Amino acid sequence: EAQLEESGGALVRPGGSLKISCAAVDLTVRGNSMTWVRQAPGKGLEWLADISSGGKMYYAESVKGRFTVSSDYEKNTFHLEMTDLRPDDTAVYFCARAGDHVYDAFDVWGRGTQVTVAS
Amino acid sequence: QSVLTQPPSVSGAPGQRVTISCSGSSSNIGADYDVHWYQQLPGTAPRLLIYGNDNRPSGVPDRFSGTKSGTSASLAISGLQAADEAIYYCQSYESALRLFGGGTKLTVL
Repeated sequence: EAQLEESGGALVRPGGSLKISCAAVDLTVRGNSMTWVRQAPGKGLEWLADISSGGKMYYAESVKGRFTVSSDYEKNTFHLEMTDLRPDDTAVYFCARAGDHVYDAFDVWGRGTQVTVAS
Repeated sequence: QSVLTQPPSVSGAPGQRVTISCSGSSSNIGADYDVHWYQQLPGTAPRLLIYGNDNRPSGVPDRFSGTKSGTSASLAISGLQAADEAIYYCQSYESALRLFGGGTKLTVL
């Protein structure tokens, strides 16, 4: 069964940077479109960024220019690098796979990693 | 304020049928983009419930069904069970970027 596991969440000062990662098991990052979604405390889901199977990147307007998604095919992992972090970036960050066989819906999810931005 | 509008809450008694709406516009749902639905139980990651408007992944009971018409979509849950108490999100696209609805909390009375 395919699995994803996030890591790297931390407490960061406002204005700081952080890189979180998502390791894939029994699915190949190279052959899939992978995504990051976050959920602020008590709030709904917010899509952040995709990296397609072809390596093309897409970003929500709310994070464009501050967040960068990348892949490490050797480690079968993908990352989200976040800069100029603000208190409203505090959230649980989930990674997910957009499956071709489910019309690009998110069919595999990680458990999430907590990012807290506070002084 | 989400571009896709869902009611904040719905409720129903065990055994009843409820529907959750997801209202968009000609820029997203009405532009012939697919709608997907997710269920999120407290403290857990979301789970795919319906994909491509009306398809169920394996393992999702047929009590859950989805429809799409024009600029809106709906999720129906029949034979309500206590275990269905969760938050439900629709997801679609606009200008090829993804977007979620604000979520609907389902309470089983």
